[in-house]
Amino acid sequence: DAGVTQSPTHLIKTRGQQVTLRCSPKSGHDTVSWYQQALGQGPQFIFQYYEEEERQRGNFPDRFSGHQFPNYSSELNVNALLLGDSALYLCASSLGRPSYEQYFGPGTRLTVT
Amino acid sequence: AQKITQTQPGMFVQEKEAVTLDCTYDTSDQSYGLFWYKQPSSGEMIFLIYQGSYDEQNATEGRYSLNFQKARKSANLVISASQLGDSAMYFCAMREFTPNDYKLSFGAGTTVTVRA
Repeated sequence: DAGVTQSPTHLIKTRGQQVTLRCSPKSGHDTVSWYQQALGQGPQFIFQYYEEEERQRGNFPDRFSGHQFPNYSSELNVNALLLGDSALYLCASSLGRPSYEQYFGPGTRLTVT
Repeated sequence: AQKITQTQPGMFVQEKEAVTLDCTYDTSDQSYGLFWYKQPSSGEMIFLIYQGSYDEQNATEGRYSLNFQKARKSANLVISASQLGDSAMYFCAMREFTPNDYKLSFGAGTTVTVRA
């Protein structure tokens, strides 16, 4: 049973560039959430996708956008990268119907120089 | 306002001993869930244990138990018989079961180092 997978593992970008991170949910899951974890801090909720729609968004600027595909996989896009966007980006999958468990992937480490 | 507070930045524990990680939370909702996750240096968040606000008994999962004190709004994690592999960052998180709110709110974490 495949768990949550994310790609790439590491990424280095320059300020002002754009980046796309990818996530495949755990088998049977239809909901994907994205979190940003700065060094030494707890994860912060970016947004959640269900049925290909963004159904909740955290306190992140519009530079952060996402997409969910019919196979439930998801992308996180960040435009106009800032140094402060350097972080570990975690994807979590769950079931859309009432269920509390969120399974996390290994994360993508983004470094902005 | 901070929803989850973890006051212990780091803790050392001797192998085979028990350790308690503190977590307090803030919510006005009656229905919510509390979670503990383990994050090794590899980065993946590993789910450990869950406690629902209406659960009457404290949750247990193997060597992990949750000391839930609802009136004090605390949900401390107890790891018994610590092992070297328990060395990691531990996060307390909460989900409030209100309509259209699906996010987990995390604390700042506690680093646990198990000594041989």
